[in-house]
Amino acid sequence: QVQLVESGGGVVQPGRSLRLSCAASGFTFSSYGMHWVRQAPGKGLEWVALISYDGNNKYHTDSVKGRFTISRDNSKNTLYLQMNSLRAEDTAVYYCAKDRSSGGSYLFDYWGQGTLVTVSS
Amino acid sequence: DIQMTQSPSTLSASVGDRVTITCRASQSISSWLAWYQQKPGKAPNLLVYKASSLESGVPSRFSGSGSGTEFTLTISSLQPDDFATYYCQQYYSYSTFGQGTKVEIK
Repeated sequence: QVQLVESGGGVVQPGRSLRLSCAASGFTFSSYGMHWVRQAPGKGLEWVALISYDGNNKYHTDSVKGRFTISRDNSKNTLYLQMNSLRAEDTAVYYCAKDRSSGGSYLFDYWGQGTLVTVSS
Repeated sequence: DIQMTQSPSTLSASVGDRVTITCRASQSISSWLAWYQQKPGKAPNLLVYKASSLESGVPSRFSGSGSGTEFTLTISSLQPDDFATYYCQQYYSYSTFGQGTKVEIK
């Protein structure tokens, strides 16, 4: 069965960096687009970033462009989110999510359990 | 950016009730709409995609309809396991979610 397990969250000061990881299993990781989606405490869902199956195409929402970078290592079945220059408004649970297609349909058919990032001094 | 607006924000209902949640898009998204269910402390779960296609394993009491800018999610007979928050999502252009509808016990 599909499993997505996020790690790397924690408490970080504003302006610092953090890297999230998502270990995938139960499907052919290298065949699917992958996403990060976040949810601030008590708030709704916000798409953050997409990477295509081969890593050649990446898209980030405007609020994180230039600060966050999505990447993947298909040899390790792992998705990453490098987060730099963190702000208080980046505080959220970050979910990795599998796309239904290879390029990126933005339909999320499996989700991890999430990892909490808290940006606070 | 495409904005998604759900109504109501909160819905109080009883087991066995028929429940309808509405989602409106700020521009036409054809049928590129999905519905997710989220329970407290858990990840969202895909229920419906392409406006009316039921995801595998999802009970048939859930159904979706609509196209263009107006969409609905209907639960034909509310079960105890259905008390949760529901989100619509457009995936016509990137992705945006509605603000959520919390279905609570009346």
